[in-house]
Amino acid sequence: DVKVTQSSRYLVKRTGEKVFLECVQDMDHENMFWYRQDPGLGLRLIYFSYDVKMKEKGDIPEGYSVSREKKERFSLILESASTNQTSMYLCASTPSGTGGEDEQFFGPGTRLTVL
Amino acid sequence: LAKTTQPISMDSYEGQEVNITCSHNNIATNDYITWYQQFPSQGPRFIIQGYKTKVTNEVASLFIPADRKSSTLSLPRVSLSDTAVYYCLVGDGQNDMRFGAGTRLTVKP
Repeated sequence: DVKVTQSSRYLVKRTGEKVFLECVQDMDHENMFWYRQDPGLGLRLIYFSYDVKMKEKGDIPEGYSVSREKKERFSLILESASTNQTSMYLCASTPSGTGGEDEQFFGPGTRLTVL
Repeated sequence: LAKTTQPISMDSYEGQEVNITCSHNNIATNDYITWYQQFPSQGPRFIIQGYKTKVTNEVASLFIPADRKSSTLSLPRVSLSDTAVYYCLVGDGQNDMRFGAGTRLTVKP
C-alpha cells in the first residue's frame, strides 16, 4: 500500500523559530509537493520537487524553503516562523507528473501553530 | 491557469444523488480536471479525472460539457460516509495546477 508520512501531526512553535516539516514517501515517486491548506482557500502549492536537489516555486513560496537530498524525503523549512504561517501543511507525491495529470498521494498533514 | 470556483457547502440526504459543479471558465485546451475527496484529519485522495465528455468509475462520474468551462462530480446514492470536502483541480499536464477552495458536503440521515 502506498504511503506518504509526515513527521508530526501537530506542532507548536514560537515566532522567529526555525521550523522543519519532514515528509517521506515509500513509492519511489519522482515528484513531491508541499501545500498549505487554509479555510476558504483550499490547497495552495508552496514548492515542488521533480528530482533530488531540484525544486520549483509554487504559488506561495514566500517565507518558505525546501530541501530534497534523497528521493524519498522532502523537507519544508520555515526560516523564521511567523503567526501568519499557522496552517495545515500537506505533503504529496506523484510518480511522474507535476501538472495535475498524475494522481497525487497525500500525507495526513501537519497542523502547525505559531505563537 | 484557469481559476476554479466551487460552492462552499452542500447538504444532501442518504440515498440521493449529489452533483457538485466546479467552474473553470478560462480552462486551456490541454488542461486536465481532477477531483479529490478529503475526510477530517486525512489528506485528500483521488476520486476521478477527466479531460472531456464523461468518465465513470466505481465511486463517481465526472461530466464535462463540450466547452469545458465547468465540470460536475456526480456521487450516486450517497451515504453518511460520503460526508467530506471535495476539491476540483485543474492542471496543465506540465508544471502548473491549481485546486479550488473545496465544497463541504454534509450527508444527513
